[in-house]
Amino acid sequence: DAGVIQSPRHEVTEMGQEVTLRCKPISGHDYLFWYRQTMMRGLELLIYFNNNVPIDDSGMPEDRFSAKMPNASFSTLKIQPSEPRDSAVYFCASSPTGHEQFFGPGTRLTVL
Amino acid sequence: TQLLEQSPQFLSIQEGENLTVYCNSSSVFSSLQWYRQEPGEGPVLLVTVVTGGEVKKLKRLTFQFGDARKDSSLHITAAQPGDTGLYLCAGAPWNTDKLIFGTGTRLQVFP
Repeated sequence: DAGVIQSPRHEVTEMGQEVTLRCKPISGHDYLFWYRQTMMRGLELLIYFNNNVPIDDSGMPEDRFSAKMPNASFSTLKIQPSEPRDSAVYFCASSPTGHEQFFGPGTRLTVL
Repeated sequence: TQLLEQSPQFLSIQEGENLTVYCNSSSVFSSLQWYRQEPGEGPVLLVTVVTGGEVKKLKRLTFQFGDARKDSSLHITAAQPGDTGLYLCAGAPWNTDKLIFGTGTRLQVFP
């Protein structure tokens, strides 16, 4: 079975550009989580969905970040406009229960 | 704010040595999990402990959940280079579906 799929794996962009990260969760998992990981702050929860509905977005840094889940098999995380401090690895994870999470390989974002 | 502090932050050891990683909090969790993350990959779930005092073994890895459900430990016996990675504990607070991740322990095992 395929695990969580994320694309792109690497993204290099210039400050001010829009960035869209994509995630396909494991089929049948009702929960989807977006995380950001940096050396300084570790793994931070940005937002999570249950049955395609956003439940907690308190970790979203600011209005430049938005996330959508139009259906059970797809989610996006968008940054507009991007800034150098957004450089990080972004992970998507899905879960059947919320607590046992299965992570994708991540998207390494570099904003120049 | 619920925090999970892990210690040590970094650990470099020789193959064959034993080690213990600690995960501590002032909060009580309904369950606690341990993940391992290798470079360039996402964290992978190793184990979930649910009952206070519970001990689980996964080959050379032994996991324990504290009696008060506030802390946990991971013990590795006879470490191997393949154990190298970032170890993360994650607590599940009561009445919420999300996890609180620990600060991480970066383990390097040299041959």
